Amino acid sequence: ETGVTQTPRHLVMGMTNKKSLKCEQHLGHNAMYWYKQSAKKPLELMFVYSLEERVENNSVPSRFSPECPNSSHLFLHLHTLQPEDSALYLCASSQDRRTGETYEQYFGPGTRLTVT
Amino acid sequence: SQQGEEDPQALSIQEGENATMNCSYKTSINNLQWYRQNSGRGLVHLILIRSNEREKHSGRLRVTLDTSKKSSSLLITASRAADTASYFCATGTGFQKLVFGTGTRLLVSP
Repeated sequence: ETGVTQTPRHLVMGMTNKKSLKCEQHLGHNAMYWYKQSAKKPLELMFVYSLEERVENNSVPSRFSPECPNSSHLFLHLHTLQPEDSALYLCASSQDRRTGETYEQYFGPGTRLTVT
Repeated sequence: SQQGEEDPQALSIQEGENATMNCSYKTSINNLQWYRQNSGRGLVHLILIRSNEREKHSGRLRVTLDTSKKSSSLLITASRAADTASYFCATGTGFQKLVFGTGTRLLVSP
């Protein structure tokens, strides 16, 4: 898993905790993504960063706060989560060639989050 | 609204058989992509077909795209137990946004 790495792989947190998920890509890409995958639901796009600017924010609750300090790193800061936020959180990266086309994305292994 | 919907939701076959999965979508796309996910892991990109292409091959994979019907199919030939996974179609509608379907769970038995 040298392409896109995510830490931690598993996280259990209480509703009053604050935690952060980390993603790092080693592919030289300039776009990064956070997705949420819940059982029986399609993969939900949460945030998109291209060239370190947030270009997509799909009505995600403010208890999720993304941060992209550079093109290789992406964080998802979590606070006062709800049990329904338990899911697999996937990070991905791709190359944005500024053509308007959507290129293939490379995914990390995910963080399995459980909110108690 | 949900863009891609795969059919069937689950498919169980024997090794050596072919597996066909279908995807339907609703809006205009610039490309359609297929991904595989092993249980609880990240997704792996399999193949991308552009809106002006009708068929594409990669190893044992064959993808077709019919933009008039807004549908695509993924054929895996001579399946192996290692092909057991969930398969997702994802539509590219521009500017790095992919919209995923609910997936097809494929079980290949030895």
